[in-house]
Amino acid sequence: DVKVTQSSRYLVKRTGEKVFLECVQDMDHENMFWYRQDPGLGLRLIYFSYDVKMKEKGDIPEGYSVSREKKERFSLILESASTNQTSMYLCASSLAGGLNNEQFFGPGTRLTVL
Amino acid sequence: AQSVTQPDIHITVSEGASLELRCNYSYGATPYLFWYVQSPGQGLQLLLKYFSGDTLVQGIKGFEAEFKRSQSSFNLRKPSVHWSDAAEYFCAVDHLGGATNKLIFGTGTLLAVQP
Repeated sequence: DVKVTQSSRYLVKRTGEKVFLECVQDMDHENMFWYRQDPGLGLRLIYFSYDVKMKEKGDIPEGYSVSREKKERFSLILESASTNQTSMYLCASSLAGGLNNEQFFGPGTRLTVL
Repeated sequence: AQSVTQPDIHITVSEGASLELRCNYSYGATPYLFWYVQSPGQGLQLLLKYFSGDTLVQGIKGFEAEFKRSQSSFNLRKPSVHWSDAAEYFCAVDHLGGATNKLIFGTGTLLAVQP
C-alpha cells in the first residue's frame, strides 16, 4: 500500500521558533509538494520539488523554506514561526510526467503557533 | 488568471438523494482534471481523474464526473448519497500536464448528509 507519512499530526509552537515539518514517501516518486490548507481558501502550494536537491517556489513561499536531501524525504521549514502560519499543512508526492500525475497525500499536520 | 472555481461552499443533502458538485476552470486548452475527497482529520484521496477520451469518468465509491468542454466544467455526481460521503470535496486542475504535475485546487465544497 502506497504511503505518504508526516512526522506529526498536531504541533504547537511559539512565535519565533524554528519549525520543521517532515514528509516521507515510500513510492519512489520524483515529485513532492507542500501545501497549506485554510478554510475558504482550499489548498495553496508553498513549495515543490521535482528531484533531490531541486526545489521551486509555489504560490505562497514567503516565510517558508524546504529541503530535499533524499528522494523519499521532503522537509518544510518555518525559519521563525508566526501566528499567521497557523494552518493545516499537507504533503503530497507524485510520479513525474504525463498520465501518472496523481498526487498522493499525507494525513496532514495541524500547526498552531501561539 | 488561471483558476478553478467551486461555487458551492457548503451543500446539505439527504441520505439516498442524488448529488452534483460543481467545478469550473479557466484554461485555454483541455487540462487534466481531478476530484479529491477529504474526510474529517484526513489527507486527500483521489476519487477520479480525466485526461482525455470518454468525457464521463467513473471513480471510486460510486462517484462519476463529466467533462464538458463547452462549459469548462467537470461536475462530480453520485446517484445516491450515503452518510459516509460527508466530507470536503476538492476539484483540481493540472494545466501543464508536464513533469512537475502542479495542481491548482478549488476552494472546496463541504458536503453534509442528513438522515
